[in-house]
This record gives sequence, structure tokens and C-alpha cells, in this order.
Amino acid sequence: DTGVSQDPRHKITKRGQNVTFRCDPISEHNRLYWYRQTLGQGPEFLTYFQNEAQLEKSRLLSDRFSAERPKGSFSTLEIQRTEQGDSAMYLCASSSGDRPDTQYFGPGTRLTVL
Amino acid sequence: EDKVVQSPLSLVVHEGDTVTLNCSYEVTNFRSLLWYKQEKKAPTFLFMLTSSGIEKKSGRLSSILDKKELFSILNITATQTGDSAVYLCAGSSDSNYQLIWGAGTKLIIKP
Repeated sequence: DTGVSQDPRHKITKRGQNVTFRCDPISEHNRLYWYRQTLGQGPEFLTYFQNEAQLEKSRLLSDRFSAERPKGSFSTLEIQRTEQGDSAMYLCASSSGDRPDTQYFGPGTRLTVL
Repeated sequence: EDKVVQSPLSLVVHEGDTVTLNCSYEVTNFRSLLWYKQEKKAPTFLFMLTSSGIEKKSGRLSSILDKKELFSILNITATQTGDSAVYLCAGSSDSNYQLIWGAGTKLIIKP
């Protein structure tokens, strides 16, 4: 399978714990995006990378969220001191340089904060 | 502020009916309009539209963009129960290719 993959698919954690999610984009895609989606809403942009550079971060993103893409391939999204309001589906997408706006999504990581 | 608005928010029809989903947008430095289908998982890509008046088709699905009136429609003919999903549209801008998403239209096809 050469699509976008995400790990884990589900994560249940207690409030105050840190969690980390991983995304592996389509191999030739240089752009990688993180979104958060809650029930009944479209995806909400969190941040994106072009190669290893983090080019944009949502103003709505708390300092508890950080993302990395150290070698321009896979990316990690860490949430520190989780809160119940962080419960959501976290989606990763990637796109190529010649069709940058056509984003292909991974299966998502569903986070539940108790 | 950039925004994308979809209507209706939900729609229930019977198998075999034709449906039209609407998407209006206000996106600075607009580049393209994209449609995605989302079942109980991540969105899957359907169409990308960049030019006005040119219809894109894939089987029973088709879509068209009007850049003057700033909207797009997605048509599904001869609907099937497998078409039941949330249909999302998103606008992208030339500045960063970031997608601005609508809230989606939840389509339910009854047998």
C-alpha cells in the first residue's frame, strides 16, 4: 500500500498525559498537512510542512501542540498535557509539488481524552 | 476571512434519485475547488476544479465550477446506497495551497 499511513489508529489517554502520532506520507509527496476534525465539521487546519520546513501553523493551535518532519519524510504530532477538548480525529494528508492542492488523506488517528 | 459554505447540511433521498450539492466560497487568491467524499474514515478525493464552466465527470458523479458567482455544484445521478456519505468541498489559495473546508453535506440514500 503506497497511500498515506497513520499510527496509531486509535488512542485513549487520560487528561494531562502526552501523546504522539505518526504520519507517513505518499513517498514522492513533499507537502504534508495535519488537520483535526470533530463530529459534523470539516477538517480544521493545524500545520503544514514543505519537505522538512514547517511553513505554517494555525493561529488557533495551542502551544501544547508541536509537529516535526525531521528528514522531510514522516512527521510526528505531539500533544502535551492533553485536555478533554483535544478529543478528535487527527488527519494527515500529503500532496506533491506539481499538484500541491490535491491532498490525499491517511486513515486518521482517533484520540479520546478521558 | 476566507470561508466555504455548503448546503444543504443534510439530505435524505431514495435510491435512484438525482441530487445536487452546493458549495459557495470566498477564498483570497483562489486557486481551485476540491470535492471529497467521507464515509466513516478519512476524506477521499473526488474532483479538483480550476476553470469555470468545465464539467468534470466520474461515473455517476459530476461537478462544475462558476468562478464569477463563486460556487460549485456536485451532482450524483441514479444514487445508490453506497453513495451515502459526507461530501466535503474545500477551496485552495495560490498563496500556500492550504485548503479551506466547508462543514460538509451529509447525504443519506434510502433503499
